[in-house]
Amino acid sequence: SQQGEEDPQALSIQEGENATMNCSYKTSINNLQWYRQNSGRGLVHLILIRSNEREKHSGRLRVTLDTSKKSSSLLITASRAADTASYFCAENSGYSTLTFGKGTMLLVSP
Amino acid sequence: GAGVSQSPSNKVTEKGKDVELRCDPISGHTALYWYRQSLGQGLEFLIYFQGNSAPDKSGLPSDRFSAERTGGSVSTLTIQRTQQEDSAVYLCASSRAGTDSYNEQFFGPGTRLTVL
Repeated sequence: SQQGEEDPQALSIQEGENATMNCSYKTSINNLQWYRQNSGRGLVHLILIRSNEREKHSGRLRVTLDTSKKSSSLLITASRAADTASYFCAENSGYSTLTFGKGTMLLVSP
Repeated sequence: GAGVSQSPSNKVTEKGKDVELRCDPISGHTALYWYRQSLGQGLEFLIYFQGNSAPDKSGLPSDRFSAERTGGSVSTLTIQRTQQEDSAVYLCASSRAGTDSYNEQFFGPGTRLTVL
């Protein structure tokens, strides 16, 4: 299966700054999901945005979706050192499986 | 309630040996997924179970890889005659209903496999 791509591959910021990660995907999606991964282990679901939605918020997270460009962005506001992790987008095209991108590695320095 | 659990957490084996990796999904989750993640890479889909059947096994990289699920619960991923390129973290995930368009997947902590 094809993978989408996150951009940038790595991002380094200071605490308190905002972090923006972008994702381009390949298919016509039903929804797009963002996951976080600490230390190369299990992923944690952050937020899901449906194909008929354009923006969604959850706490300090804001996700946008542009289906015409097949792209999504994840914004983390007022970042904290604990936000340091890898972030993956995953496209769901109506079947049961998800296709994950390669991820953005975020480093937030105190 | 308990999350997805996987065992072992780490496995070191010699080239040519067989290994079995186990996944215990969240109780009541009918869908189960196996992924592989090589160092610094994204997740590579391996196989998906709905109940005990596997409607999508398109990601299995070779016939050395197989998986089964029994009782709609525990799943075992078996790699025969392991090769060094099989070294990776193997992640299992489960979700409530595989046919639901809005399925959130819950991941286990993974098994780190090292083939010497």
